[in-house]
Amino acid sequence: AQSVTQPDIHITVSEGASLELRCNYSYGATPYLFWYVQSPGQGLQLLLKYFSGDTLVQGIKGFEAEFKRSQSSFNLRKPSVHWSDAAEYFCAVGYNTDKLIFGTGTRLQVFP
Amino acid sequence: GAGVSQSPRYKVAKRGQDVALRCDPISGHVSLFWYQQALGQGPEFLTYFQNEAQLDKSGLPSDRFFAERPEGSVSTLKIQRTQQEDSAVYLCASSREGQPQHFGDGTRLSIL
Repeated sequence: AQSVTQPDIHITVSEGASLELRCNYSYGATPYLFWYVQSPGQGLQLLLKYFSGDTLVQGIKGFEAEFKRSQSSFNLRKPSVHWSDAAEYFCAVGYNTDKLIFGTGTRLQVFP
Repeated sequence: GAGVSQSPRYKVAKRGQDVALRCDPISGHVSLFWYQQALGQGPEFLTYFQNEAQLDKSGLPSDRFFAERPEGSVSTLKIQRTQQEDSAVYLCASSREGQPQHFGDGTRLSIL
């Protein structure tokens, strides 16, 4: 069955520290992979996407993610976190740009 | 507007009442998706339209849920005889073919 696992429910980091949010997927075909961010009471904003090609993709707000086929992973990273990055982060997979399967999310808290 | 617009933002209904949730996609986006997001969970797919055709409704939880997009633009998600477990945020997304989905801010539905 197709699924997405985000092992970390809640992560707390200090402002300026580096960040890595984990995402593992189970999917029958070569997936399209996405990271979305959701602030309280708002919809989801696309951070970055992987369709094909270079496995290290750059996104908005200084985020990047690396697709590792051998590990079925698509981890999100940022070298230096800002207080405004506090939000809920969702990893998602799909075939082409069809319906998306989301993970349960990782809540990021940033301390000054 | 420039983004996906959903209305109302909040809806409170008594158990057993019917509700209708509206989605205005981004102009020119042929694909439209509905997702249900329970508290503390990731969004779950409900249904998908390409123009006015409903191509996938596999995620609708019961026959009380009905979605339409009669002219290939605005879409309405209707829930009949609402039950407490229908309480959730309902997210609408739209996209151009082959492009990532853009999400609205959602409708928070509370069933009393």
